[in-house]
Amino acid sequence: AQSVTQLDSHVSVSEGTPVLLRCNYSSSYSPSLFWYVQHPNKGLQLLLKYTSAATLVKGINGFEAEFKKSETSFHLTKPSAHMSDAAEYFCVVTNQAGTALIFGKGTTLSVSS
Amino acid sequence: DTAVSQTPKYLVTQMGNDKSIKCEQNLGHDTMYWYKQDSKKFLKIMFSYNNKELIINETVPNRFSPKSPDKAHLNLHINSLELGDSAVYFCASSQDPLADTQYFGPGTRLTVL
Repeated sequence: AQSVTQLDSHVSVSEGTPVLLRCNYSSSYSPSLFWYVQHPNKGLQLLLKYTSAATLVKGINGFEAEFKKSETSFHLTKPSAHMSDAAEYFCVVTNQAGTALIFGKGTTLSVSS
Repeated sequence: DTAVSQTPKYLVTQMGNDKSIKCEQNLGHDTMYWYKQDSKKFLKIMFSYNNKELIINETVPNRFSPKSPDKAHLNLHINSLELGDSAVYFCASSQDPLADTQYFGPGTRLTVL
């Protein structure tokens, strides 16, 4: 069965420093992978997605993620954090049929000035 | 110009009551979904409809009944509400069942007292 593990429940960074949110997946097939962001009391917004094209995926707001099949990882990075990046981040994988999303448990990103 | 909208945004009710949450999308998508986000922010799919037909029905109590009057609407009716139903419910839509990008509504926070 497919699953997603977000390795950190909470990450704290200072404004202007790099961000790394870690995600490992487990799947018997080649899934599509995503990162979604949820700002406080808001809905979910797609940051980026990987669908078996380039392994380095660029998303919105300066975020990017690298798909590493050998490590079954899809870590999210940003070179320089901004206060507005503080939010909940979800790593997501499609189910085997490709008809539904399976969410990780989320990582809360805090950004201090 | 809201792509996926939900009403109401907040819903507070007593145990045992019946309530409905409405969802509408103006993206012209064929597929709509309901997700539940619990108090620990874990998101899980509940239902998926394609062209008004149910295609995913996860392990959800029979008290939950989705209804899709047309492709643009997917409503969620909940009978005999229980304390454990308190959560944030998100509606989403995608171009088709295999389209990996889903667009989420702002969520409905249901509180059962």
